[in-house]
Amino acid sequence: DGGITQSPKYLFRKEGQNVTLSCEQNLNHDAMYWYRQDPGQGLRLIYYSQIVNDFQKGDIAEGYSVSREKKESFPLTVTSAQKNPTAFYLCATTAGRGPQHFGDGTRLSIL
Amino acid sequence: AQTVTQSQPEMSVQEAETVTLSCTYDTSESDYYLFWYKQPPSRQMILVIRQEAYKQQNATENRFSVNFQKAAKSFSLKISDSQLGDAAMYFCAYYDMRFGAGTRLTVKP
Repeated sequence: DGGITQSPKYLFRKEGQNVTLSCEQNLNHDAMYWYRQDPGQGLRLIYYSQIVNDFQKGDIAEGYSVSREKKESFPLTVTSAQKNPTAFYLCATTAGRGPQHFGDGTRLSIL
Repeated sequence: AQTVTQSQPEMSVQEAETVTLSCTYDTSESDYYLFWYKQPPSRQMILVIRQEAYKQQNATENRFSVNFQKAAKSFSLKISDSQLGDAAMYFCAYYDMRFGAGTRLTVKP
């Protein structure tokens, strides 16, 4: 089945540690996105990529980094500079002006 | 950048009744797409309905329909015959990945 796979489902971070969230897609979509969602809140755009080897900052990129070395993969690293990383993270893809397809999300917590 | 505004943080509806969720947006484009997504407690994002700006006819998907007012930049979602399973967060979105803050819909039995 075509879709988006986010892993892990749950992730715990220690103080001062970088962690990486995985997002893989087999939809052959060019554009990929990372969103952060805090409890009871909407989706805020962290980073997006419209083509391999290129990506742009969203509204809340500070403390995060991404790479897009392959069309299928768009990993998000939450660095130690992100002082409040506890949130639900959603990865999405889109083709052209169509709707976004979402993964099932990763819940990140601080130990 | 385009902005999307949902002015109703919470809404409540009686089962089998009709409810309308509001959304306004700001854009300088003439050709664009708008979407409504549903996010139940599982947090999975589910596409409810889409509207293409160049189409004058309002989109409809079973019990879900939109009232698209292009000049007013308004894109409201109407849910008819509300069911308990409709309880969720609803997000309005512009095609360039901008989302509104969401409306939490409660359905009372």
